[in-house]
Amino acid sequence: GQNIDQPTEMTATEGAIVQINCTYQTSGFNGLFWYQQHAGEAPTFLSYNVLDGLEEKGRFSSFLSRSKGYSYLLLKELQMKDSASYLCAVSDSNYQLIWGAGTKLIIKP
Amino acid sequence: IAGITQAPTSQILAAGRRMTLRCTQDMRHNAMYWYRQDLGLGLRLIHYSNTAGTTGKGEVPDGYSVSRANTDDFPLTLASAVPSQTSVYFCASSRRDSTDTQYFGPGTRLTVL
Repeated sequence: GQNIDQPTEMTATEGAIVQINCTYQTSGFNGLFWYQQHAGEAPTFLSYNVLDGLEEKGRFSSFLSRSKGYSYLLLKELQMKDSASYLCAVSDSNYQLIWGAGTKLIIKP
Repeated sequence: IAGITQAPTSQILAAGRRMTLRCTQDMRHNAMYWYRQDLGLGLRLIHYSNTAGTTGKGEVPDGYSVSRANTDDFPLTLASAVPSQTSVYFCASSRRDSTDTQYFGPGTRLTVL
């Protein structure tokens, strides 16, 4: 079966750095996405990785290792507005997105 | 319209009733998707359409049907609602397929009693 694993919940302090991990087992791989979802709102796109390595975009970075079936999202200089759920999703061999259950990130002052 | 819209925002429905959730996008995207999101389960694909005139089944299609008569609209119909269909429903679109960024509508919160 296809599976995406992420921690259910993480807590971090304002101004700090947090790393959210995602491991996947899918039939084929056509890229990995990270989305942010604030409570009661729709998911919004953060990043897309299809090749191994680190993609940096401002305070957010995303890393991919296809051989290990592993990705992480790195958030730097945490702000209170970063409190949200972070969703990992993989495009499989049928070009359908398989979604993880999401990681709820709680930021404390 | 800017982006992707859904209607209604929320609905309470008696079991056995028929319901259509509406979704419209103005980005001229080829692909559209319907997901349901339940606590602790993440987003699950119900149906998708890669282009106008074609549709496909996702992970949880039973009890739902869709149509794609044109590029902009992608309605989701529950023929006879059951309580297990209580969920938040998101419509999304992407330019081509799932390797492109998906843009989500604001969601419809559906309660079936």
